[in-house]
This record gives sequence, structure tokens and C-alpha cells, in this order.
Amino acid sequence: GAGVSQTPSNKVTEKGKYVELRCDPISGHTALYWYRQSLGQGPEFLIYFQGTGAADDSGLPNDRFFAVRPEGSVSTLKIQRTERGDSAVYLCASSLSGLSTDTQYFGPGTRLTVL
Amino acid sequence: DAKTTQPNSMESNEEEPVHLPCNHSTISGTDYIHWYRQLPSQGPEYVIHGLTSNVNNRMASLAIAEDRKSSTLILHRATLRDAAVYYCILPNAGGTSYGKLTFGQGTILTVHP
Repeated sequence: GAGVSQTPSNKVTEKGKYVELRCDPISGHTALYWYRQSLGQGPEFLIYFQGTGAADDSGLPNDRFFAVRPEGSVSTLKIQRTERGDSAVYLCASSLSGLSTDTQYFGPGTRLTVL
Repeated sequence: DAKTTQPNSMESNEEEPVHLPCNHSTISGTDYIHWYRQLPSQGPEYVIHGLTSNVNNRMASLAIAEDRKSSTLILHRATLRDAAVYYCILPNAGGTSYGKLTFGQGTILTVHP
């Protein structure tokens, strides 16, 4: 079956621009997570959705970052006024119900480069 | 929050067993131990998880110490495709009931032909 997909795979933008990153989770998975991975580091949690609602957004670094999941499936991570420090790989994962014992299935990531 | 400690790197030869250790001395009784790995230029993938008993699946085995303060991921016959960063994670450790994964630095496994 189809796994988690993310688009675009690569995004190059200029400082100050707005970007949107898309995640298509596995069909039927109610839980969706966004993580960010800087070079040489492990992924860092950004936000967790259960259905349409953001149950935990404690990992979003500041108010330039926002994410939505309006119909409980596809999610979009939005970054306003991008900065060079936002350059990273943004990973999306989904799991069946969000329980901590659930397996999380990760997408291939979107590599964001801010020039 | 319970934390995990892993060696920065390990090396193995192809077709030999690999034992990847993880220390989690502050683990609580309800914390599950999960292992994920990340192959180059890919997202992480689930490997195995357990609570108290040793666990086996088609990818690996997980040996959990009796006091649960450490665990070992065992790859029975390493292949070149097993070269990856391996992460030992306690998803419950932040006090959440959902899978908020906290990745550390992980162990970089190099497999030599």
C-alpha cells in the first residue's frame, strides 16, 4: 500500500519568503506528526495532530510556523518570513491512532533550503 | 524525562551479528522502548519495540535487561543495507500518552563488506 508522501521533495526559497510543505499520511491514520531534522542531528518534534486538531504544537519554534489538517488527512506546514536557520529536512509521520506504542510511518521528507 | 544514551558509532562486518546498546537508567515502569533506524537520505523507519520481555521480529531482536535500565538491539546477520543511524527512543517518557518521539544522536552503524 501507499506510504506517507511529502511534497515537494526539495524546496529552495529566499529569505523572507513564505513556503508550504505538504504531507499525505497513510489512509485511515488519525495521528499525524511533523518533525524537523537539521544536518547531523536527529529529528525534532514540531507538532502532533489527532484528527483535525493540533493536540500538541509545543515543538513549533515560533509563530512563523503554523500547520493545518483541515479534513483529518492531508496536512500542510506553513512557514512565514523564512530565515536561513529554517533550512532543514522536514519530516512527516503518521500512525494509526496516536498511541505511544503505535508504529510511526515516516515520509521521505522535504529538504528546505533558505538562501 | 527519561533519556537514552547510545554510542556515537559502531562498525560491523557483513553477515556478522551486531549488538547495538542503549542505556535508559531513568526509565519508568510504563515506558516502552522503541528502536527506529534512518537509512541515508530517507525518513526514519520502525524496527522493533518492547516493554519487559525480549522481542523478535523479521528485522531484529530486542533484548531488555531485567532491571530495564538498558536494552540491546540485535541484528543477527548484518547486511550492507543495514548501514544506518539507529535510534533508541522512549515514546512515553515525556509523560504523554501519544507518540511524541524524542530522537537523540543515535548510533551510526557502518557495515563493511
